Amino acid sequence: DTAVSQTPKYLVTQMGNDKSIKCEQNLGHDTMYWYKQDSKKFLKIMFSYNNKELIINETVPNRFSPKSPDKAHLNLHINSLELGDSAVYFCASSWEPDTQYFGPGTRLTVL
Amino acid sequence: AQSVTQPDIHITVSEGASLELRCNYSYGATPYLFWYVQSPGQGLQLLLKYFSGDTLVQGIKGFEAEFKRSQSSFNLRKPSVHWSDAAEYFCAVGGRNAGNMLTFGGGTRLMVKP
Repeated sequence: DTAVSQTPKYLVTQMGNDKSIKCEQNLGHDTMYWYKQDSKKFLKIMFSYNNKELIINETVPNRFSPKSPDKAHLNLHINSLELGDSAVYFCASSWEPDTQYFGPGTRLTVL
Repeated sequence: AQSVTQPDIHITVSEGASLELRCNYSYGATPYLFWYVQSPGQGLQLLLKYFSGDTLVQGIKGFEAEFKRSQSSFNLRKPSVHWSDAAEYFCAVGGRNAGNMLTFGGGTRLMVKP
């Protein structure tokens, strides 16, 4: 009965590869998000998405793209991975503009 | 632009002692304010939130926070800390902005001495 789930929990890959992280929420929320937490624990919003619009944080490289097959899923695709992409990525969901509920995170390591 | 400052990177308290974690925010309108807790290797769990109304809000695990508009602060308090409270605490601000994006502070790591 997990509210927000992410797969995989850990992802180790080589520079230059393309990878995806999946996120699913069973809360019926209309908005989903991706956040990046760096090695210093700093959390930064990457995207906000509902069925009306995608809001992109201007600092996110265009190698990152969210894709939503349906209202309950928001996957994160990353092309041409770089060392600096190593971080923990969190998915979240909410009824806009209400409380956001976070997934357990995916630790991405780029070698 | 909105921002959040948590002035204390690390705090150590003795078990049973009281706790106050500071949070200052900058937001152009009425803010929505949150405190989240992150245990090692875990996701973020909501402790409490303020949207409107009573400026003293109660949360889970015995935590409370007070919204002070004049000071742009939303400090988190607990009267008696338990060893299990050791974790990273994040303050966040949001609102009716585009995309409902939250801005987080840098976090405060709480350590609890026996």
